[in-house]
Amino acid sequence: DIQMTQSPSLLSASVGDRVTLNCKTSQNINKNLNWYQQQLGEAPKLLIYYTNNLQTGIPSRFSGSGSGTDYTLTISSLQPEDVATYFCFQYNSGNTFGAGTKLELK
Amino acid sequence: QVQLKESGPGLVQPSQTLSLTCTVSGFSLTSKSVSWVRQPPGKGLEWMGAIWSGGSTDYNSALKSRLSISRDTSKSQVFLKMNSLQTEDTAIYFCTRNNYFDYWGQGVMVTVSS
Repeated sequence: DIQMTQSPSLLSASVGDRVTLNCKTSQNINKNLNWYQQQLGEAPKLLIYYTNNLQTGIPSRFSGSGSGTDYTLTISSLQPEDVATYFCFQYNSGNTFGAGTKLELK
Repeated sequence: QVQLKESGPGLVQPSQTLSLTCTVSGFSLTSKSVSWVRQPPGKGLEWMGAIWSGGSTDYNSALKSRLSISRDTSKSQVFLKMNSLQTEDTAIYFCTRNNYFDYWGQGVMVTVSS
């Protein structure tokens, strides 16, 4: 099974900061990776699919990149409504979620 | 518009079988897949399994022996059945659409307790 490691597990940042969340996989997943945002008490929301494709309706401050085993979600200018937990998900072999990064305001 | 809604019992006794229904609207089950994902309280997400547009299924290997996913396309419903429930199966259970999980239901909380 493919192992997923998200880092950091907790991130504190200020409004306006550029924020980078990381997801590392145990083997090459050929960019078959999505990012989801889950706000407290809600269902997850698709942000990015296939590494770098912005889902319809998602603000352009969100972007994704990566290849091989290393992937990144970037928020170019953090907004208060971005406080949430972010999960990466690989579907290259089986289907596996990362453990999540909790993003809070400093 | 696309909607998914989970329904089922909130409380299940240990060793019993969980039965959940996902009722969808705004799309056809013969054109889009539906997956089940669960989340224990305060923890991360776990993909459980999927039923594809053609009707075939895939399961998480860790749950495969206990899990069954089926559907009734005429009623736009997807069903989850999982047997031999234990306390660690306590979770919010979500259904979600497509291989990108682009739409999600609100989730249903299931507690396994005697």
